[in-house]
Amino acid sequence: DIVMTQGALPNPVPSGESASITCQSSKSLLFSDGKTYLNWYLQRPGQSPQVLIYWMSTRVPGVSDRFSGSGSGTDFTLKISRVEAEDVGVYYCQQFLEFPFTFGSGTKLEIK
Amino acid sequence: QVQLKESGPGLVQPSETLSLTCTVSGFSLTRYGVNWVRQPPGKGLEWMGTIWNDGSTDYNSALKSRLRISRDTSKSQVFLRMSSLQTEDTAIYLCARLGTGFDYWGQGVMVTVSS
Repeated sequence: DIVMTQGALPNPVPSGESASITCQSSKSLLFSDGKTYLNWYLQRPGQSPQVLIYWMSTRVPGVSDRFSGSGSGTDFTLKISRVEAEDVGVYYCQQFLEFPFTFGSGTKLEIK
Repeated sequence: QVQLKESGPGLVQPSETLSLTCTVSGFSLTRYGVNWVRQPPGKGLEWMGTIWNDGSTDYNSALKSRLRISRDTSKSQVFLRMSSLQTEDTAIYLCARLGTGFDYWGQGVMVTVSS
């Protein structure tokens, strides 16, 4: 199975500052079609997850442009610019290159 | 609009079989796949399996021997059936559409395995 390892944030993050969440995969997620099969999700307290970014860097329509995804085949970053109170929750990366689709353990964001 | 809603028993006895239903609206099961994902209390997300738009399935190998996912396209329903439940199967069970990522999720149903 592909193991997804997420880094922690130096919580709480001051409102208006930037936050970067890292995710590392045990295998390259770059496929022969040129796409990188990595998604990012946010799970707000008491809610179901919502997808923010797919194919490593494509933002879902309607998601704030303060969210951006980047990376290589195995190392990924979700950057949140100017964090706001509504960004609070747990962020998950997920690989969907091969079965089983695996998630990282989650990174909690708290705002000061 | 796209919606998914899980339903099923909140309490299951150890060693019994869990049956859950995901009722979808706003899209066709013949065009989109549906996943089951679970989340133990206070923990992370575990992908359980997918039923694709053509009706084929893929399962997490850790659960494969106990898990079956099926569907009734005429009723827009996807079913999860998992046998031999143990206390460690206590979790919120969610269904999610497979679009660009898991793009729409249900609210989830809490299942407790206890005698």
